[in-house]
Amino acid sequence: EAQVTQNPRYLITVTGKKLTVTCSQNMNHEYMSWYRQDPGLGLRQIYYSMNVEVTDKGDVPEGYKVSRKEKRNFPLILESPSPNQTSLYFCASRRATDSYEQYFGPGTRLTVT
Amino acid sequence: AQKVTQAQTEISVVEKEDVTLDCVYETRDTTYYLFWYKQPPSGELVFLIRRNSFDEQNEISGRYSWNFQKSTSSFNFTITASQVVDSAVYFCALRNTNAGKSTFGDGTTLTVKP
Repeated sequence: EAQVTQNPRYLITVTGKKLTVTCSQNMNHEYMSWYRQDPGLGLRQIYYSMNVEVTDKGDVPEGYKVSRKEKRNFPLILESPSPNQTSLYFCASRRATDSYEQYFGPGTRLTVT
Repeated sequence: AQKVTQAQTEISVVEKEDVTLDCVYETRDTTYYLFWYKQPPSGELVFLIRRNSFDEQNEISGRYSWNFQKSTSSFNFTITASQVVDSAVYFCALRNTNAGKSTFGDGTTLTVKP
């Protein structure tokens, strides 16, 4: 089954404790992206990657890191999480051609206390 | 910079009513792509439609229809004879051809009451 998986699905952590949210896709998609969803703000793009070792900032990259060492994986790293990073996070992937729609993972709900 | 505006934050209708969700976008690109996604209460994001900027033909899929008007930079979504299962948050999104960046609207929460 073609899918994008994220782990963990739910996470409660404390300020400053480094964490990684994993994202994996099995569709051999070149493009992957991370979004955060906050009430009333829609989805805002954090980082995206056009292919292995190629990443770029989205609209809200502050406080986040990413890496793309393998085509299927695109982890999101919070080196020192803060309460304002409490949010619902979505990973997405698609084929490189612009016209294709994105496939989204199920979401990770992160709470930073 | 590109922008997507969904002016309707929340809409409530009674089942079987028709409802239109508005989407207005801004971009300097001449070629771009527009999308609608649905987010039901379960939380996942479901792709509904894609439209290329050079194709202004409207589209109908069952009870769903989309009206793309480049002259007014609008890409509106109409649900005919709404059903309770249509209750969800609907997002309009814009992607330019500069590869990676996508911009989403803030979403419209549609509630369909029985």
